[in-house]
Amino acid sequence: DTAVSQTPKYLVTQMGNDKSIKCEQNLGHDTMYWYKQDSKKFLKIMFSYNNKELIINETVPNRFSPKSPDKAHLNLHINSLELGDSAVYFCASSPSGGGSYEQYFGPGTRLTVT
Amino acid sequence: AQSVTQLGSHVSVSEGALVLLRCNYSSSVPPYLFWYVQYPNQGLQLLLKYTSAATLVKGINGFEAEFKKSETSFHLTKPSAHMSDAAEYFCAVSEGGNKLVFGAGTILRVKS
Repeated sequence: DTAVSQTPKYLVTQMGNDKSIKCEQNLGHDTMYWYKQDSKKFLKIMFSYNNKELIINETVPNRFSPKSPDKAHLNLHINSLELGDSAVYFCASSPSGGGSYEQYFGPGTRLTVT
Repeated sequence: AQSVTQLGSHVSVSEGALVLLRCNYSSSVPPYLFWYVQYPNQGLQLLLKYTSAATLVKGINGFEAEFKKSETSFHLTKPSAHMSDAAEYFCAVSEGGNKLVFGAGTILRVKS
């Protein structure tokens, strides 16, 4: 029973391509997140959705577009991929209602742009 | 805005020795604090969290952390390191919203 799952696990693509990463959680949480972990392992939030509504949108290029079809799913679409987009992208989820709740992370998607 | 500083990007201990991973935070309001562990090629797993109840928090795998407001610290300790503890550890802070801010991480190496 995977709590937060992501597909694909690995993604290798060329510059200029468009790609999507999918995330699903079966925990019944209302809030979902996308994080980017760079090559130095620094982890930074990109987006957060609560019940399909965007609530956090950090300074991220508009080539990145999250979409939440329902509260159990949060996908990330990336247009015109660049070398600097190479990173591990983590999806996470948590109950809503404040920052005291821990976030549950997926296994990550390692994106390599060549 | 909240921030986290983890002192020491790499910590090396012998098996059976005390583990001490340091975390200092900055927050304009009483914070919520978390420690996560990341094993190679895996996602992050919660070790423990502080949510303004007891200042000494016990977590999984024998880890604990103490919230010290006067020192703005939330250091992670384990009395006796095990080889399986080798991983990267992240401290994180939340000011009550949904946003978690992570430290840069500390890689723990355990020598046999």
